[in-house]
Amino acid sequence: AQTVTQSQPEMSVQEAETVTLSCTYDTSESDYYLFWYKQPPSRQMILVIRQEAYKQQNATENRFSVNFQKAAKSFSLKISDSQLGDAAMYFCAYRSRTNSGGYQKVTFGTGTKLQVIP
Amino acid sequence: DGGITQSPKYLFRKEGQNVTLSCEQNLNHDAMYWYRQDPGQGLRLIYYSQIVNDFQKGDIAEGYSVSREKKESFPLTVTSAQKNPTAFYLCASSMRDRVNQPQHFGDGTRLSIL
Repeated sequence: AQTVTQSQPEMSVQEAETVTLSCTYDTSESDYYLFWYKQPPSRQMILVIRQEAYKQQNATENRFSVNFQKAAKSFSLKISDSQLGDAAMYFCAYRSRTNSGGYQKVTFGTGTKLQVIP
Repeated sequence: DGGITQSPKYLFRKEGQNVTLSCEQNLNHDAMYWYRQDPGQGLRLIYYSQIVNDFQKGDIAEGYSVSREKKESFPLTVTSAQKNPTAFYLCASSMRDRVNQPQHFGDGTRLSIL
């Protein structure tokens, strides 16, 4: 079974600075997808960025980028030029490409609460 | 705009009572999911449905039931058998068999015990 670990329950960053949230996972599969979701205080989960395991190039979405280390099973999220609106819970998620009964299972980490200090 | 609507936002349950959480989507997604979120535990899958009139148990299905009579709707019933129902419940949907597509989430329902 896949597991996703976020070892930082809470992080803080000064506004305009850069912060990196860590995520590691365990799997025996070679093909899968990884996601970072953001959950602001309003509680709606929003996709931040996604990465396919077969792509070596790290995904980037504006101020958000990932450092994907497949051999190390690491998938960290870097937020550059942090803004007050970035304050939220961030969840790392793993989605299997294996179709188990018609369902590609999604496994979530326990989340990292990011505080942005003005 | 397409999206997922969950209602109510807050729900209170009395002892021995069943309550139903609503989830409606207009994204034309085949697959729908229910997750339970507790502090420090991330999201845990309760039930999922890949197609109308079919659904499967997730990791923590005991004390819950669902139905999928319409593509757009996937209500979750928290039964009296669920002894610890206080949690935040999230409904999600996605395109079926598209592993690269993310799940879209609703705003959630917070359920508390009276």
